[in-house]
Amino acid sequence: GQQLNQSPQSMFIQEGEDVSMNCTSSSIFNTWLWYKQDPGEGPVLLIALYKAGELTSNGRLTAQFGITRKDSFLNISASIPSDVGIYFCAGQPAGTASKLTFGTGTRLQVML
Amino acid sequence: SAVISQKPSRDICQRGTSLTIQCQVDSQVTMMFWYRQQPGQSLTLIATANQGSEATYESGFVIDKFPISRPNLTFSTLTVSNMSPEDSSIYLCSVEGGINYGYTFGSGTRLTVV
Repeated sequence: GQQLNQSPQSMFIQEGEDVSMNCTSSSIFNTWLWYKQDPGEGPVLLIALYKAGELTSNGRLTAQFGITRKDSFLNISASIPSDVGIYFCAGQPAGTASKLTFGTGTRLQVML
Repeated sequence: SAVISQKPSRDICQRGTSLTIQCQVDSQVTMMFWYRQQPGQSLTLIATANQGSEATYESGFVIDKFPISRPNLTFSTLTVSNMSPEDSSIYLCSVEGGINYGYTFGSGTRLTVV
């Protein structure tokens, strides 16, 4: 099945740095979701986006639904050690109600 | 948002056997979704389970290999049949959480086939 192109694949950053990751698709999406997955756990929703151009924050996290509806980014400001994990974007392609397509994931590691 | 209980959390199984994974939700939901996450990979949708009808399978997944039951609006099972080592993955169930809640996931079943 289709997967979203997510980059970067992995990141090593210093504690306190800002982080940015993005997802792109060749087709239009109606919804963009950002998840974090810790080892041994299922993905946990961070931010949900429902409108093109929408910019939403959740604490130190900010995500935007691209105006073309084909991309989204997630920013994490002032990273802390507990930000370590795998981040996935996920979206609902237009015309496929209730089905989620996942990105390839970004593995974030924070150096103290 | 909905709370999902999934079990078993992990299992080690012999090849050729079958394992049934259970997913219980604390509220009634129309659709339940089953995903596979192969080692180091992203999540891939296996099928959508609706109560009262046959599950809808994604390309590459078939009912004989992954039979699904959906006896009521709060429960579903996924069976991994005639397992081989290639079936070693994390299997996750998910439900729609409603507006602003996206989709909620269970904690997954980590399956190792030996």
